[in-house]
Amino acid sequence: DIQMTQSPSTLSASVGDTVTITCRASQSLSGYLAWYQQKPGKAPKLLIYKASNLESGVPSRFSGSESGTEVTLTISSLQPDDFATYYCQQYKSYPLTFGGGTKVAI
Amino acid sequence: EVQLVESGGGLVQPGGSLRLSCAGSGFTLSNYWMTWVRQAPGKGPEWVANIRQDGNEIFYVDSVRGRFTISRDNAKNSLFLQMNNLRAEDTATYYCAGGRDSRYFVSWGQGTLVTVSS
Repeated sequence: DIQMTQSPSTLSASVGDTVTITCRASQSLSGYLAWYQQKPGKAPKLLIYKASNLESGVPSRFSGSESGTEVTLTISSLQPDDFATYYCQQYKSYPLTFGGGTKVAI
Repeated sequence: EVQLVESGGGLVQPGGSLRLSCAGSGFTLSNYWMTWVRQAPGKGPEWVANIRQDGNEIFYVDSVRGRFTISRDNAKNSLFLQMNNLRAEDTATYYCAGGRDSRYFVSWGQGTLVTVSS
């Protein structure tokens, strides 16, 4: 199974900040990585797929990248609506696995 | 508007069974692989199972294989999860999800809570 180690688990930030969330995979993902945003009581929302492709309707301040076994989600100019929990998910192989989550808080 | 609506959750004793359903609205399930994802309270999501459009290819996470059965009825635009021999660790909100790829999830339902407790 591919393990996804996400860091940090909590991140304190302010409106306007640029924040970076990282997932390290136990093996190469070849770009098969998605990022989701989740708010309390709601289902996750897809932000990025194939490591760096922005889902339709998602603001361009969200971006993703991959380097080796490390994948990164960057949020530029943090907005009030961005305070949420973020999860990475690998889909290189079954079982599909998620990272432990990063809560972005004020 | 695309909607997936889950139902069937509730409180069940350990060893009991439940059948979850997911109905599509503005979303033609027959076009897509469909998936169940669960999320235990305070934890991250966990992929549970998915099923191909024709129902002839299915994958399960190891922890539910042999106890859970995913199925679909394309004529009724519905997805199901039969859960048997439930354990406390199966307590979670269960989401159905689907979309253009079988392995990441574009559209999600609102979830249905399953609580396994005596």
